[in-house]
Parts: sequence; C-alpha cells; structure tokens
Amino acid sequence: GAGVSQSPSNKVTEKGKDVELRCDPISGHTALYWYRQSLGQGLEFLIYFQGNSAPDKSGLPSDRFSAERTGGSVSTLTIQRTQQEDSAVYLCASSSSPGKYFGPGTRLTVL
Amino acid sequence: GIQVEQSPPDLILQEGANSTLRCNFSDSVNNLQWFHQNPWGQLINLFYIPSGTKQNGRLSATTVATERYSLLYISSSQTTDSGVYFCADSHAGGTSYGKLTFGQGTILTVHP
Repeated sequence: GAGVSQSPSNKVTEKGKDVELRCDPISGHTALYWYRQSLGQGLEFLIYFQGNSAPDKSGLPSDRFSAERTGGSVSTLTIQRTQQEDSAVYLCASSSSPGKYFGPGTRLTVL
Repeated sequence: GIQVEQSPPDLILQEGANSTLRCNFSDSVNNLQWFHQNPWGQLINLFYIPSGTKQNGRLSATTVATERYSLLYISSSQTTDSGVYFCADSHAGGTSYGKLTFGQGTILTVHP
C-alpha cells in the first residue's frame, strides 16, 4: 500500500516569504506528526495530531509556524516570514499504533 | 524531558562484520523505537521495542527497560546497512504519547 507522502520534495524560498508543506498520511492512520531535521542533527518534534483531539503544538519553535489537519487526513505545515534558520528537512509521520512511519521529507532552503 | 544518548556516534565496518549500537535513556522506557535513515534521507521504522527482544533478519534489538537502555545488533553487515541509526522514546500516555524524543544517531558506514 501507499506510504506517507510529502510535497514538495524540495523547496527553495527567499527570506521573508511564506511556505506551505503538505503531508498525506497512510490511509486510516489517526495520528500525524511533524518533525524537523537540521543538517547533521537528530529529529526535533514540532506538532502532533491525534484524531479529533486538540493538537500538541508544544514543539513549534515560534508563532511563525502553524499546522492544520483537514478531515483527519491531509496536513499542511505553514511557515510565515521564513528565516534562514528555518532551513531543514521537514518530516511527516503517521501511525495507528506506537510504531511510526515517516514520509520522505521536504527539504526547505531559505536564501 | 527525556534525554536520549546514543553510542557510538560513528561506526565504520567492513562488510560481513557484526556491530552493536546502544541507546541510553534518562527516564523510564515507554515507546522505544529504532529507525534507520538511509543515505537518501528516508527514515525506516526498524523496531518498536519497549521491552524484550525482537529479531528481523540480520537485525535484532533488545531493551532492558529496568536499566533504561536498548541495544541494536547488526549481524553480517552489508553496504546497504549504511546510514544513520536513531533510537527514540516518548513519555507514557496523555498528549505526550506521540512526542518522540530522538537521540543524535549513530552514523554507520559499511565498506565493501
């Protein structure tokens, strides 16, 4: 079956612009997560959606970051007024059990 | 929060060799998972192993929850095993359940 998909795979933007990153989870998975991986670093938790519960936003680094999940499926991570330190690979994962399945990521480069 | 420490940070092997990767946790083990990130960046879930031992082909993992550590064994390594191995865990229950904290990873390079 299809895994987690993300788009775009690469995004280059100018400082100050807004970007939207998309995640399509595995069908039927109730939980969806966003992580960020900076160059040579481990993964940093950003936000977690579980069913219809209020999302856990405790990992979002600033109020420029927001995410939504429509219809319990697709999720969009929005970064407003991008900064160079936002450059990273943004990874989405979904699960219906403790094991998580990651998408291929979106590589964001802010010039 | 949970602190996750992985060792060694780097490991270079000749094809066919065996290796052991270790993960130590500062808090109780709840939802421990091992991942492999291949050279193209894709993260693959290897094991969900909050306790006990599991095996999958040449890979196996053991978690000793009472001593807050987990080991990943790779036997007869192949060049395709190269990449970064991460362990991760989260707090039990509630809204923290899904929030994995990752170690810094072990970079494995297997030479032919």
